[in-house]
Amino acid sequence: GAVVSQHPSRVICKSGTSVKIECRSLDFQATTMFWYRQFPKKSLMLMATSNEGSKATYEQGVEKDKFLINHASLTLSTLTVTSAHPEDSSFYICSARQGPLNTEAFFGQGTRLTVV
Amino acid sequence: AQSVTQLDSQVPVFEEAPVELRCNYSSSVSVYLFWYVQYPNQGLQLLLKYLSGSTLVESINGFEAEFNKSQTSFHLRKPSVHISDTAEYFCAVSGDTDKLIFGTGTRLQVFP
Repeated sequence: GAVVSQHPSRVICKSGTSVKIECRSLDFQATTMFWYRQFPKKSLMLMATSNEGSKATYEQGVEKDKFLINHASLTLSTLTVTSAHPEDSSFYICSARQGPLNTEAFFGQGTRLTVV
Repeated sequence: AQSVTQLDSQVPVFEEAPVELRCNYSSSVSVYLFWYVQYPNQGLQLLLKYLSGSTLVESINGFEAEFNKSQTSFHLRKPSVHISDTAEYFCAVSGDTDKLIFGTGTRLQVFP
């Protein structure tokens, strides 16, 4: 299958700083990218959906000013956690899809964010 | 709005026994259904999907799932599990919107 690379895999940052997570589709062009947050022993919570060149669509309850998403090209999306706090510590996963709703979404390996 | 319910958070089973992981969905229009698997310390991988046509879909490693529209279900089954099937299994739905919505996951633990 296609490869989605997510970087970094782990990051520790101080409270109040910002952290950027990158998601790249290595061998295909991703028309749509998704960002999820995975809580321990819980589901993947969809945070936002982004299409290349347009603003991301955020899910209810997700602060768009805190979780900045940029989908600048068909192979790269970034999630920036601004002014991070300990409660933002979580596992963040990106996903990329090449085509419409009935095509497979490919997932990155995830990023473990720890805010201290 | 779309939603997915996975009723079992954990399913323990002995090796070579059959297993069923339950998934129910809600969706107002056409639906596409997926099962993803997450092995320990790995990312999610697509196991199988239902888009249209035959309601019974199969994966290459012996899993199958049946789309049942009347019961709004897409249960995952395997007649004989292996130790290597130990993983987290997620049911997902799309179709109403551009989103891919996941259930809470089922932890399949296979014991020798």
